Amino acid sequence: SQTIHQWPATLVQPVGSPLSLECTVEGTSNPNLYWYRQAAGRGLQLLFYSVGIGQISSEVPQNLSASRPQDRQFILSSKKLLLSDSGFYLCAWTLKGLGTLHFGNGTRLTVT
Amino acid sequence: GNSVTQMEGPVTLSEEAFLTINCTYTATGYPSLFWYVQYPGEGLQLLLKATKADDKGSNKGFEATYRKETTSFHLEKGSVQVSDSAVYFCALMGAGNMLTFGGGTRLMVKP
Repeated sequence: SQTIHQWPATLVQPVGSPLSLECTVEGTSNPNLYWYRQAAGRGLQLLFYSVGIGQISSEVPQNLSASRPQDRQFILSSKKLLLSDSGFYLCAWTLKGLGTLHFGNGTRLTVT
Repeated sequence: GNSVTQMEGPVTLSEEAFLTINCTYTATGYPSLFWYVQYPGEGLQLLLKATKADDKGSNKGFEATYRKETTSFHLEKGSVQVSDSAVYFCALMGAGNMLTFGGGTRLMVKP
């Protein structure tokens, strides 16, 4: 069966520090991968999605970036965090052509 | 573009009460519709889905019917439990396999 792993679960980082969140999917190949952010009291905002290795589409311009170095690995990064980057970050995957999105357990990021 | 509108919360109910969370959508073509649930501190889980008009998705006592004439996908449950307390997200998937989410509705069920 397919599983998705996301880490770390929680993270506290100072303003201006770098960020790296990692997500891996097991049990499937060539998935579509997504990064969402859920700010406090708000809905889900799609940040990035990827349909294949090295293919990244950005939905919202900001100081975050994403990379997909391997088929089932999706990384969210920042060179310098802002206070406004605080939130709950969710990685998700779906098979191509099928609508069900499967989410990881999320990373709660607090920028201080 | 596509959009999903759901009722703002929080919705506070007593145990065994009837639940309705409204969801309406705007989309071109024939999207698939979903309800996801997020329990405290966790990611989202698929609760139910419907892929065409008049389909009814159901799971764990929850139901939602795809109503194309009213562009709605309201979530219902006949008797809620404390364990149903969570945030519920309505979503649609249109062309390009992209999900558009509503803003989420927090449900609080009191014993």
